[in-house]
Amino acid sequence: DGGITQSPKYLFRKEGQNVTLSCEQNLNHDAMYWYRQDPGQGLRLIYYSQIVNDFQKGDIAEGYSVSREKKESFPLTVTSAQKNPTAFYLCASSIVGVTNYGYTFGSGTRLTVV
Amino acid sequence: KQEVTQIPAALSVPEGENLVLNCSFTDSAIYNLQWFRQDPGKGLTSLLLIQSSQREQTSGRLNASLDKSSGRSTLYIAASQPGDSATYLCAVDYGQNFVFGPGTRLSVLP
Repeated sequence: DGGITQSPKYLFRKEGQNVTLSCEQNLNHDAMYWYRQDPGQGLRLIYYSQIVNDFQKGDIAEGYSVSREKKESFPLTVTSAQKNPTAFYLCASSIVGVTNYGYTFGSGTRLTVV
Repeated sequence: KQEVTQIPAALSVPEGENLVLNCSFTDSAIYNLQWFRQDPGKGLTSLLLIQSSQREQTSGRLNASLDKSSGRSTLYIAASQPGDSATYLCAVDYGQNFVFGPGTRLSVLP
């Protein structure tokens, strides 16, 4: 079945450590997105990519980095510069240029600082 | 600034009731509006997508309407069931990315 796979489901980070969240899709979608979700708040966009080897900052990109070396993969690195990384992270994908398609989401990764 | 709000923030109803969830957006130059369901600790599941040229979409007991001129969408759930308990989010597609509302947390009591 086609879909988006996020791993791991739970991740624990020590202070000052970089961690990488994986997002893989087999939907042949062009665009991929990373969102952060905090309790009681809407989803906030971290980074997005509409084509391989190109990505754009979202509203809260500071302290995060991404790469898009393959169409299927869009990993997110949470760096030590992100001072409050504890949150639920969601990856999504969509088809570029198709207005009636919408987003498909993965199941999320919960990151906790210990 | 493009903002999306949802009212109410939380709702608790007895099983069998019909209910309406509201979504408002400040910028009416939208491509689509999509309603999602999120269960605790899970990702988002798409329920309905309404294109900017459409007025409503239906799927089973769900009906979503769109009024671009007034910046509003409603999600109507008929004959609610305990399994409908979840958080419902609306998301507005402005072309480059979606802007999400904070969600309505729904509890349907048996």
